[in-house]
Amino acid sequence: GEDVEQSLFLSVREGDSSVINCTYTDSSSTYLYWYKQEPGAGLQLLTYIFSNMDMKQDQRLTVLLNKKDKHLSLRIADTQTGDSAIYFCAESSNYGGATNKLIFGTGTLLAVQP
Amino acid sequence: KAGVTQTPRYLIKTRGQQVTLSCSPISGHRSVSWYQQTPGQGLQFLFEYFSETQRNKGNFPGRFSGRQFSNSRSEMNVSTLELGDSALYLCASSFNGANSPLHFGNGTRLTVT
Repeated sequence: GEDVEQSLFLSVREGDSSVINCTYTDSSSTYLYWYKQEPGAGLQLLTYIFSNMDMKQDQRLTVLLNKKDKHLSLRIADTQTGDSAIYFCAESSNYGGATNKLIFGTGTLLAVQP
Repeated sequence: KAGVTQTPRYLIKTRGQQVTLSCSPISGHRSVSWYQQTPGQGLQFLFEYFSETQRNKGNFPGRFSGRQFSNSRSEMNVSTLELGDSALYLCASSFNGANSPLHFGNGTRLTVT
């Protein structure tokens, strides 16, 4: 079945790089997403990668996709205290291409120490 | 461009009551999806609407329903509320649903007492 797994917690020091990992099961996923959730807020779309890409870079964010191992990672360079939040990985689950249901991981709490 | 707007932000209801949540998508987006977020179950898909039609439904009881209007705005309704319905309800919109990224609102926090 569809499943997305993430580690629960990551602690880094300000200025270091953070790497959040995710594994997924649906090899037919078209897009894979990273969302950020701050306390009391909704989900903020950080970035997404199309399944035929290996890497995507967007300012401080780098997404790496290993389709063979069904592994996705999000690297945040020069991590700041404002990056402290929960990060969700999600895979899209298409039903005949007609819809876009997301399967989310459990979320990784990123704690940035000053 | 304004983001996804959900109202109200907070709701407190009593068991057995019903509730209606509202969502206005990003202008031009025709697909609206609803998700439930709880500490125990995480983020779970409720349903998706496109052009006023429900295209997909998650594994929730029939007490959970929704609809979409011609202007793409959507509402979801929960009848006969149970304590376990306490959650953050998130609405997301996308251009056409399939293969277009979902943008989420800030959610409605529902507390059932």
